[in-house]
Amino acid sequence: AQKVIQVWSTASRQEGEELTLDCSYETSQVLYHLFWYKHLLSGEMVFLIRQMSSSTAKERSGRYSVVFQKSLKSISLVISALQPDDSGKYFCALWELSSFNKLTFGAGTRLAVCP
Amino acid sequence: GALVYQYPRRTICKSGTSMRMECQAVGFQATSVAWYRQSPQKTFELIALSTVNSAIKYEQNFTQEKFPISHPNLSFSSMTVLNAYLEDRGLYLCGASDRVEQYFGPGTRLTVL
Repeated sequence: AQKVIQVWSTASRQEGEELTLDCSYETSQVLYHLFWYKHLLSGEMVFLIRQMSSSTAKERSGRYSVVFQKSLKSISLVISALQPDDSGKYFCALWELSSFNKLTFGAGTRLAVCP
Repeated sequence: GALVYQYPRRTICKSGTSMRMECQAVGFQATSVAWYRQSPQKTFELIALSTVNSAIKYEQNFTQEKFPISHPNLSFSSMTVLNAYLEDRGLYLCGASDRVEQYFGPGTRLTVL
């Protein structure tokens, strides 16, 4: 069974718009982290933002922010003021304390931002 | 800053042959190294997790006999794909970690002919 689910495989927006990428996950752990990464065509995996399960703070990093609904086991990535360079594939990943540095990735969502 | 290098970036091997890929951590101590594979049209699957001073743990469907890993120190790890076949093609990503943060290399793309 999939542990990290990204429903949308593709998305497209216009430059300047805002986008929300959804991700749901399954875990029985109390402590875990959720990550969003951007995978570039070059192969580079770029860390975007992290949400700790124990944190109630609304995480934000530049134009990236998350909507964390712990009771629903949902973590959405919000990208504001989209730019063409935001195009790429976005992965949601779950790190469980018991797994010590093992990340479980979702299937990814490919985003295209049109100028 | 923390950086992870992987080489080669791309490689082509004949079916049935083996190839070795390397992962180098710079600027931090890689106490654990995770190797992932992204097969065509699939997401990243964990192959194995190597932690210094602990046994290497392989995920289901991956074995040491097929993907032997070496993690001799806190800055280097290597993995070999033995007897590579078509299903082994894909992008192999190294994720090196000091504690919670995991830094990724750019990957080694393997093509099998």
